[in-house]
Amino acid sequence: GDSVTQMEGPVTLSEEAFLTINCTYTATGYPSLFWYVQYPGEGLQLLLKATKADDKGSNKGFEATYRKETTSFHLEKGSVQVSDSAVYFCALTIGDTGNQFYFGTGTSLTVIP
Amino acid sequence: DVKVTQSSRYLVKRTGEKVFLECVQDMDHENMFWYRQDPGLGLRLIYFSYDVKMKEKGDIPEGYSVSREKKERFSLILESASTNQTSMYLCASSLFWGRGALNEKLFFGSGTQLSVL
Repeated sequence: GDSVTQMEGPVTLSEEAFLTINCTYTATGYPSLFWYVQYPGEGLQLLLKATKADDKGSNKGFEATYRKETTSFHLEKGSVQVSDSAVYFCALTIGDTGNQFYFGTGTSLTVIP
Repeated sequence: DVKVTQSSRYLVKRTGEKVFLECVQDMDHENMFWYRQDPGLGLRLIYFSYDVKMKEKGDIPEGYSVSREKKERFSLILESASTNQTSMYLCASSLFWGRGALNEKLFFGSGTQLSVL
């Protein structure tokens, strides 16, 4: 079936450190891939997305590239800030399933000054 | 911007009570979803609806039911609450997928933290 696996946390980094959160997927069709972010006390919000192989999604300094050959969509940021502390979810959807989304388990990131 | 509103931020109920969680979206979205979020398990889909009066079971529908009488409102019902239903419940909505990949995006409410004692 369709699923997403992401690295377990929690992750603790110092400010200005490099961030990578790994995400791999299994899909029966041609998925669109997403990273959602959940700040403390809030619901999830879309961070970035990519809809086909080799697409790169980017937003707020975060990037992720859709790699079909490795079935991966790793999230990266060159220099994290304290305000990036949140839980990050990798997700996929396949259009012909009625827009059902599949989420990873989430990775908690804490950035310390 | 789209707004998805969940009626309660925190809710405390007793075992055996009937519980209603309400969700309203203001952007005429066809799809609406209920997830529960638990530490280490991420988000798990309970039910979703792609039209008024239509509903589909997600991955964990047992112990839950839903109602969608109006397009903007999607209610999650716990017929007889149990302690293992203590969780964060998240409602989300999206446009129907047939309108193209550019519209694939979930809009989430802030969540309802339900405690069943």
